[in-house]
Amino acid sequence: AQKVTQAQTEISVVEKEDVTLDCVYETRDTTYYLFWYKQPPSGELVFLIRRNSFDEQNEISGRYSWNFQKSTSSFNFTITASQVVDSAVYFCALYANRDDKIIFGKGTRLHILP
Amino acid sequence: GAVVSQHPSRVICKSGTSVKIECRSLDFQATTMFWYRQFPKKSLMLMATSNEGSKATYEQGVEKDKFLINHASLTLSTLTVTSAHPEDSSFYICSARSGDRNSPLHFGNGTRLTVT
Repeated sequence: AQKVTQAQTEISVVEKEDVTLDCVYETRDTTYYLFWYKQPPSGELVFLIRRNSFDEQNEISGRYSWNFQKSTSSFNFTITASQVVDSAVYFCALYANRDDKIIFGKGTRLHILP
Repeated sequence: GAVVSQHPSRVICKSGTSVKIECRSLDFQATTMFWYRQFPKKSLMLMATSNEGSKATYEQGVEKDKFLINHASLTLSTLTVTSAHPEDSSFYICSARSGDRNSPLHFGNGTRLTVT
């Protein structure tokens, strides 16, 4: 069965601090994809990144970076020099070929305090 | 690109009535669309997978007669909540893939349904 665990339900940091959001996944498939989405207070879901199971290279996009480690089944997301606009709920998600659906973690609510 | 439009964004209806929510892919064709439901401060729960020209596939525990899904064209899927009850009040979000099976989902802005 597929499962995505985001153990941090809520995090608060002061602006300009770095923050890491954890994501641990479970799947039987050898081919799968991992995603991160952002849900700001307005409610829409914004796609941030997709990573396939064969590519363990870390990725950096501006202040965002992702650390994918198959050995620990983790796909963590770091925001560097956080800003108030980063305040949102962040969802980690998993797609496995066998099931053809994307399963979401419970989300981490991030508060960036000015 | 890859814009998904969902309408209405908010709707209030009385118990016993039906409500239709539309999900359109504006600049791409979507053979598959997904409907999610989100309770306050909770994660997204997949309700059903909507395939163009065929019956939707519902997740376990989702009443297919209550949540009617129609995917009549490559750019439109609709979710109809029939005989709505207050417990159906929720945030409903549709999504569509713009490419192959493992391509990212692009989401509509959601519909907040309130049943009084």
